[in-house]
Order: sequence, then C-alpha cells, then structure tokens
Amino acid sequence: AQKITQTQPGMFVQEKEAVTLDCTYDTSDPSYGLFWYKQPSSGEMIFLIYQGSYDQQNATEGRYSLNFQKARKSANLVISASQLGDSAMYFCAMREARDDKIIFGKGTRLHILP
Amino acid sequence: EAQVTQNPRYLITVTGKKLTVTCSQNMNHEYMSWYRQDPGLGLRQIYYSMNVEVTDKGDVPEGYKVSRKEKRNFPLILESPSPNQTSLYFCASSLIGGNSPLHFGNGTRLTVT
Repeated sequence: AQKITQTQPGMFVQEKEAVTLDCTYDTSDPSYGLFWYKQPSSGEMIFLIYQGSYDQQNATEGRYSLNFQKARKSANLVISASQLGDSAMYFCAMREARDDKIIFGKGTRLHILP
Repeated sequence: EAQVTQNPRYLITVTGKKLTVTCSQNMNHEYMSWYRQDPGLGLRQIYYSMNVEVTDKGDVPEGYKVSRKEKRNFPLILESPSPNQTSLYFCASSLIGGNSPLHFGNGTRLTVT
C-alpha cells in the first residue's frame, strides 16, 4: 500500500543555515511522482517542487532542491540559506500513476530562528 | 486568474444538520479531490474524481458524499455531521498524470457542535 513517512514533527533551524526535511515513501508502482508543499501559518497550500520516479537528476527550484534516493525510497527536501519566511508546515506527497491517488505525509513544522 | 474556490471559509454547525461545502476550479482540470487536515495526522484524502460522473473513495470517506456532475464543480456533502468531522477541509484539482501538482483552495474550517 502507498505510504509516506515524515519522521520529524518539528525542527528548529538558525536563519541562513541549510535545512533538510526527511521524507520516505513506499509504493509498488514503478511510476510515481513526489511533491513537496509548504503551508504557512495563513493556511494555504503552496506547491514547491516535483520529482518523477524516472527522473535521473534531482529536482531544483530556486532555494529548494529534492534529494531523491530511489533505492532507499527517500525524497528529502533541502532548503538552502533558510529565511524567516520559511517557517511553516511542510508536507511530502506521492502520486502513483496507476490510480492517480495522492497521499500526504503528516508534515514537519519548521521554525527558523533569527 | 487560475484558482480553486471553496466556500464557505468558516462554518459552525450543529450535529445532524446537513451541509455542503462547494468547490469550483477554472483550470479545466480533470482531477479533483477533497482532503481533511487534522493536527498530527496531516492531510487525508476523503474522495477524489478523475472525471465527470467518476468518483472514488479516499482513505477516510465515511460520513461524506461527493458528486461530479460538471467538470468544474466538486461539492462535499455531510448528510449528518458529527463532532468528529470538525476539521480543516481542502479541495484541490489538477491535470491527470503523475507529474501534475495539486492546486488547492483556501480551505474551509468546519466546527460541528
């Protein structure tokens, strides 16, 4: 069965440091997509980055990169040079190609300290 | 502007009083879905739809109904709400396909007393 695990309920990081948010997944579908979303305190869900299961290179979007280790079923989000505005809840999600069902992890609440 | 519109943003109701949360998207997306968000549990899928007249159960469908009579609309119906359905609800839409991100509405905070 599909499963997404985010093992860090909360993290505190000093401003300007890099931060890695962990995400592991489980699926038997060889074709799937992995997504990260940010939810600031205002509540909206913001799409950050996508990685396809067949992508050879790690995805990057500005200060966000996805450390994709397929054999380990790991899709960690890396935020470089963290900013106070990065304080938010972050969700990892997976979409399987066979049924298009999309599931989310429980999230990691990131606090950036000045 | 491309968007997913949910209404209402806030709703307080009493046990057993039927309610509907509306969701509409203007991006011609085939895929639409409802999630509930509870502290410590993340987002859990209630129902999803891959096209008009096609709906499927997610992980927590009990107590909810949906319909997809038109491509743009995907209302969530609570026939007899109970206090355990107090939650933050999100509607989302996307194109079909593994690389398509979900576009979310702004959420509906429901309280059932």
